[in-house]
Amino acid sequence: QITLKESGPTLVKPTQTLTLTCTFSGFSLSAGGGTVGWIRQPPGKALEWLALIYWDDYKRYNPSLKSRLTITKDTSKNQVVLTMTNVDPVDTATYYCVRAFCGGSTCQSWPYWGQGTLVIVSS
Amino acid sequence: QTVVTQEPSLTVSPGGTVTLTCASSTGAVTTDYYPNWFQQKPGQAPRALIYSTTNRHSWTPARFSGSLLGGKTALTLSGVQPEDEAEYYCLLHYGGAWVFGGGTKLTVL
Repeated sequence: QITLKESGPTLVKPTQTLTLTCTFSGFSLSAGGGTVGWIRQPPGKALEWLALIYWDDYKRYNPSLKSRLTITKDTSKNQVVLTMTNVDPVDTATYYCVRAFCGGSTCQSWPYWGQGTLVIVSS
Repeated sequence: QTVVTQEPSLTVSPGGTVTLTCASSTGAVTTDYYPNWFQQKPGQAPRALIYSTTNRHSWTPARFSGSLLGGKTALTLSGVQPEDEAEYYCLLHYGGAWVFGGGTKLTVL
């Protein structure tokens, strides 16, 4: 059974750095084919893809946010961490981590989602 | 900037059929965009329905089907149930980046 769970601060001040952790089970990021991504959703708005990390440490970022995002993995802990610098109130959103199935430069499916964690950016 | 466009809202009667579409600002959507569809109900995480244009996940009811239609990708619901009322999102691949559509709010009335 594949599960993912996001954790991190609920409230962050503008200009600070946000660090979110995805802890997963049921698959490994040390074996070929494992891929985890982050997706966010501002309140009442659409989903937005943020970043993706492959089992071999290959990474992809949303071009509009690339300068502010870093995605890393800790295979020993079954965790993926997303860091976002210089946050702004527009970054207020529910952040989801997702297990994707990818091959080459693309992902065919995104079937397993965490429950999401709400992050509010406010002073 | 790439924009993926969906109908903002649609209404369907129980038992009816409805087609939701997803268009790309770059041109016709093909299988190379690996279209995915997701359903989201209020207060819940999105649930994956369709992957790689036409494939249902093991948990996806057979009344949901994906296709390419007139240069777009489409999600068709046949024999709509009241529990299908939800927001639906498509996701398209653009050379190593992914873009969601703005979502379609489906009302079953």
